[in-house]
Amino acid sequence: DAGVTQSPTHLIKTRGQQVTLRCSPKSGHDTVSWYQQALGQGPQFIFQYYEEEERQRGNFPDRFSGHQFPNYSSELNVNALLLGDSALYLCASSLFQAAGIDGYTFGSGTRLTVV
Amino acid sequence: DAKTTQPTSMDCAEGRAANLPCNHSTISGNEYVYWYRQIHSQGPQYIIHGLKNNETNEMASLIITEDRKSSTLILPHATLRDTAVYYCIVRPANFGNEKLTFGTGTRLTIIP
Repeated sequence: DAGVTQSPTHLIKTRGQQVTLRCSPKSGHDTVSWYQQALGQGPQFIFQYYEEEERQRGNFPDRFSGHQFPNYSSELNVNALLLGDSALYLCASSLFQAAGIDGYTFGSGTRLTVV
Repeated sequence: DAKTTQPTSMDCAEGRAANLPCNHSTISGNEYVYWYRQIHSQGPQYIIHGLKNNETNEMASLIITEDRKSSTLILPHATLRDTAVYYCIVRPANFGNEKLTFGTGTRLTIIP
């Protein structure tokens, strides 16, 4: 049973560029959430997608945007990259109506380095 | 902001029980206590959660005080593979997906 798959695993970008990160949820899950984890910190919630719509959003600028596809997979896009965007980006999938019971399943993340 | 307070780091001898405390003095009546852990270079992994009764599963036990203002995660026989950052999270368990608000967690090191 495949868990959450994220790609790529590592990425190096230059300031001002744009980046797209991808996530395939665990089989049977319909909701995808994205988190940013800076070095030495806990993950911070970016946003959540369900039924191809953004349902919740954390305190992140509009440079961060996302999309969910009919097969439940998701993309995270970051425009005009800043050095401070360097972090581990985590994708978590869940079942919308059962999140309080099953918890989330996280992927191993994409390590983004902005130079 | 995270609604929990945890020690920054702890050590535990291999084979002994690891007891990780968490304070959540402002917890509301409908909020659950969740524990996740993050092993180096991996995403967080769900461990256990509870409301007010003590809970046990194949990974750990969760002891919640009667006033629900604090809890303890117990790993009964710690192994080297339990070395990780452990996060205690308070979260409503209503329908729909409530986000997880992580603090900085406790870095647990298992000593051989």
